[in-house]
Order: sequence, then C-alpha cells, then structure tokens
Amino acid sequence: GAGVSQTPSNKVTEKGKYVELRCDPISGHTALYWYRQSLGQGPEFLIYFQGTGAADDSGLPNDRFFAVRPEGSVSTLKIQRTERGDSAVYLCASSLTFERTDTQYFGPGTRLTVL
Amino acid sequence: AQSVTQLGSHVSVSEGALVLLRCNYSSSVPPYLFWYVQYPNQGLQLLLKYTTGATLVKGINGFEAEFKKSETSFHLTKPSAHMSDAAEYFCAVRMDTGRRALTFGSGTRLQVQP
Repeated sequence: GAGVSQTPSNKVTEKGKYVELRCDPISGHTALYWYRQSLGQGPEFLIYFQGTGAADDSGLPNDRFFAVRPEGSVSTLKIQRTERGDSAVYLCASSLTFERTDTQYFGPGTRLTVL
Repeated sequence: AQSVTQLGSHVSVSEGALVLLRCNYSSSVPPYLFWYVQYPNQGLQLLLKYTTGATLVKGINGFEAEFKKSETSFHLTKPSAHMSDAAEYFCAVRMDTGRRALTFGSGTRLQVQP
C-alpha cells in the first residue's frame, strides 16, 4: 500500500517568509510525528499527534513553529518568519497506534532551504 | 534525559566482510531500541527493533542486533557486506515512559568497497 507522503519534496524560500509543509500518513494510522534532520545529524523530534490533538509538542524550537491535524489524517507543519537556521529536511512519520512498541514509518521528507 | 551514541560517523568495509555498527544508549528505564537505514534521497526504513523478549533481534537484509543491558548497547551486525548495504544507519531509542518520540543517534555512514 501507499506509504507516508510529503509535499513539497523541496522548498526554497526567503528569510522572513511563511511556509507550510504537508504530510499524508499511511491510511488508518492514528499517530503522526514530525522530526527535523539537519545536515550530518540524526532526526530530532518536533511534535506528535494522537488523532487530531497534539499530544507532545515539546520539540518545537520556538513559537514560530506550529502544526495541525484537523481531521486526524493529513498534517501541516507551519513555520512563520523563516530563518536561515530553519534550513533542514523535515520528516513526517506515522504509526498504527500510540503503543510504544509500534513502528514509525517515515516519509521521504521535505528539504527546506531558507535563503 | 535519554541519549544515543553511535561510535564512528563513517565505517568502510570490503564487500563480503563483517559489518559492525555500534550503538550505546543511556536510560534509567527499560528502552525500546530501533535501527533505521536511510538510502540517498529516501526516507528512513526500519531494519529491526527490540521491545521485549529475545535479546538477539533479526531484521531485514540479513542484519541483526543484540540488546545487552549490562553494556547499554545495541550494536548492528551483518556477517557479509553487500554493495547495496551502502547507506546511512541510525540507531534510535524510545523509553518506557509516556513519551512516544524517538531519540536518534547522529548516524553512521557505511561504505562498502568492491
């Protein structure tokens, strides 16, 4: 079946602009995660949704970052007033349930470049 | 706080040689441990995971890992490297607490020489 998809695959923007990154999880998966991967580093957790609600947003770096999942499926990560330091690959993952043993399935990521 | 250390950002082996990628974690509670592989321009793919039970875990593509609690390690091995194994490998941990997020190591890039 279809895996996690993310759009766009690449996004180039200018400093100070607003961007939205979209994630389509695997159908039927109730948990959705966002991570950020900087060059040469492992992914770092940003936020996690159980259904429509953000269950853990402790990884969001500041209030310029916000994410929604209004119908419990597709999620959008929103970044306001982008800064050059926001440049990274943003990864989305989903899992069937919220169980700690569940596998997280990752999408291919959106590469964000802030000029 | 939990953390994951992967020793060696780059590992090079000859085709047919043993692959050993090291992962150590710090945790005050029982961990769940994962190895993911990332091929160029692709998403992370799960190789294997340890949750409970048998400490030697077998995964896809001939990889396996052993959870050693006394050493707080979860090293990844493969008896014979193949050219197609060249990729970046990430060890990750999730603690047996309320948090669901994975904590990743910084990754090890595996090169396979012909």
